[in-house]
Amino acid sequence: EVQLVESGGGLVQPGGSLRLSCAASGFTFSSYEMNWVRQAPGKGLEWVSYISSNGFTIYYADSVKGRFTISRDNAKNSLYLQMNSLRAEDTAVYYCASMGRIDYWGQGILVTVSS
Amino acid sequence: DIQMTQSPSSLSASVGDRVTITCRASQGIRNDLGWYQQKPGKAPKRLIYAASSLQSGVPSRFSGSGSGTEFTLTISSLQPEDFATYYCLQHNSYRTFGQGTKVEIK
Repeated sequence: EVQLVESGGGLVQPGGSLRLSCAASGFTFSSYEMNWVRQAPGKGLEWVSYISSNGFTIYYADSVKGRFTISRDNAKNSLYLQMNSLRAEDTAVYYCASMGRIDYWGQGILVTVSS
Repeated sequence: DIQMTQSPSSLSASVGDRVTITCRASQGIRNDLGWYQQKPGKAPKRLIYAASSLQSGVPSRFSGSGSGTEFTLTISSLQPEDFATYYCLQHNSYRTFGQGTKVEIK
């Protein structure tokens, strides 16, 4: 059974940092590109970041460029999102998702940026 | 960056109705587009990939068409389980979601 399980979310103050993790199982993680997608409360989906299967190609949305860093460890079947300089507008449910040749999504994890 | 303009933002329809949702790209994206369905509290689920290919396991009442800048998702006969929010996603250059279309019961 394919599973993507996010962890590391929670409440953080503005200006703070948080690191999200996504543990993959049930498929050959190292063969597939991965993404982070977020959804603010009551809002639509927003693509955040992309990383290729080998980690060599990385993209970011303008809204997070310079503050967020995506990475992966194929030996550990894991995807990461380091989030620095967090703002109130980063408050959202964060999903890890493949969205490529295969389409798998995690259940999402809530990040709340508030004082 | 490529912008995706999705319309309408919401619609009311009855079971059995034919429903059409449109996405327009700010520049040509070939057929690098997918359609997603999201129900409250759940992760999105892809219905269509490559603009017109049906994802495995998705009912045939869903179809997609278009290429370049204009794309359409059609539900041929709306079923109770289809009331949800739908999004288009382009992956030609980076990734961009449309704003979403909420399909509600009339």
